[in-house]
Amino acid sequence: NAGVTQTPKFQVLKTGQSMTLQCAQDMNHNSMYWYRQDPGMGLRLIYYSASEGTTDKGEVPNGYNVSRLNKREFSLRLESAAPSQTSVYFCASRRTDNYGYTFGSGTRLTVV
Amino acid sequence: AQTVTQSQPEMSVQEAETVTLSCTYDTSENNYYLFWYKQPPSRQMILVIRQEAYKQQNATENRFSVNFQKAAKSFSLKISDSQLGDTAMYFCAFMKTGANSKLTFGKGITLSVRP
Repeated sequence: NAGVTQTPKFQVLKTGQSMTLQCAQDMNHNSMYWYRQDPGMGLRLIYYSASEGTTDKGEVPNGYNVSRLNKREFSLRLESAAPSQTSVYFCASRRTDNYGYTFGSGTRLTVV
Repeated sequence: AQTVTQSQPEMSVQEAETVTLSCTYDTSENNYYLFWYKQPPSRQMILVIRQEAYKQQNATENRFSVNFQKAAKSFSLKISDSQLGDTAMYFCAFMKTGANSKLTFGKGITLSVRP
C-alpha cells in the first residue's frame, strides 16, 4: 500500500540508550516531518526536511537528530534517551502543494 | 508564529445528533490553509476536511462541514448525524502557503459519541 511507513510501532528503551526511528514514503513527496504527540499537547514538530539534502529544526528539537537519507527516507535518532522523550512519534510527508500531510501510523516509545 | 487554540478538551454527543468543535487561530498571514484531522483509537491521523483561506465558501465533506470566519480567525467543525465511528480525537491545524510551510496543531479535543 502506498503511504508512509514507520518502524518500529512500539519500543521500550532504558534511559541513556540510543535508537533510530525509521520512516519511508513511496509517494515521491518532497517534504518530510517528524512530530511528537503528548497528552494535552497536540502534535509538536521536532524536525523537518523540505527537500532531499536539507533538514531544519522545529519547535522541540533538543535531544534528537535527523537524517534525510534520500527522497524516500527520513530517520529520527535519539542519542541518549530520557524519560521526557516518552511519547508517540509520527512521521509525515507532503507534496509541494498545500493539501496537507500523509501520516505514518506512529511509534509509541517508552523510556524507563 | 502561528498558534492554534482548541479550548474544549472533551465533548460528548448522542448518536445521530449534531456537534460542533471549536478552533481559533492567530496569524498575521493573509493566505493559508486550515485543516481538521481525526485520530481514532487506532492512532492513525486522518484528514477530515481542508479550507483555503482565500475561499469564502465553507468546505463540506459529506457529514462534515466547517464554519470559517476569517476576520474572527475561527474555524469550527460541524459533524452532522453523528456516528459511533466518529468517536476520536480531533485536531485543528494551520499551515501557511508555500513549499517550506509546516502544520501547526491545536491540542486536540476528544469527542465521544454515545449510543
